[in-house]
Amino acid sequence: QKEVEQDPGPLSVPEGAIVSLNCTYSNSAFQYFMWYRQYSRKGPELLMYTYSSGNKEDGRFTAQVDKSSKYISLFIRDSQPSDSATYLCAMSATSGGTSYGKLTFGQGTILTVHP
Amino acid sequence: AAGVIQSPRHLIKEKRETATLKCYPIPRHDTVYWYQQGPGQDPQFLISFYEKMQSDKGSIPDRFSAQQFSDYHSELNMSSLELGDSALYFCASSLSTSGGLSEQFFGPGTRLTVL
Repeated sequence: QKEVEQDPGPLSVPEGAIVSLNCTYSNSAFQYFMWYRQYSRKGPELLMYTYSSGNKEDGRFTAQVDKSSKYISLFIRDSQPSDSATYLCAMSATSGGTSYGKLTFGQGTILTVHP
Repeated sequence: AAGVIQSPRHLIKEKRETATLKCYPIPRHDTVYWYQQGPGQDPQFLISFYEKMQSDKGSIPDRFSAQQFSDYHSELNMSSLELGDSALYFCASSLSTSGGLSEQFFGPGTRLTVL
């Protein structure tokens, strides 16, 4: 069983829809929870991160972490065609700092927002 | 702003050949990570270096080796290539901090095809 599970989709929604992306995990040591966006043939780009449990909002994006359920979510409001990409959740047991900062990724969800 | 540079961007090799992938981190970043992303798969952590010393090791085959040089660039050496080594290889760099997340910035990747 993978440490991080993510529904690969694909997910296709109309422009303006609210998108919900989710991941579950099994490693209780994870403290940092990230969402990356990856366009075709490009490297992942960090969208948002959350430390421990809680919510974080940035514009149209909201990240939620529920450590008791080992469940994280990313919500995209008023989705745009430019949001079409693969979204990867990623987790780390540490901040990276001067110690181990390797990321464990989910499988990624392919999102298409059509006009 | 300067980004992570990887070279070459594309590489085609025959089975049993060797390959060398190069990564130039963002200036002043002290940590380099290597990830392997197979077709339709999530990125898998291979190895990382902090201040030119190996800091962590993941599922990296014994046929692969890596190092970080005095100018902080890193090279991933792959020998006795197998068909299953065909993948996108990402390098990421980060700057260690005393607190908070050390964000990993990803390069565009090197696409390795083994024939």
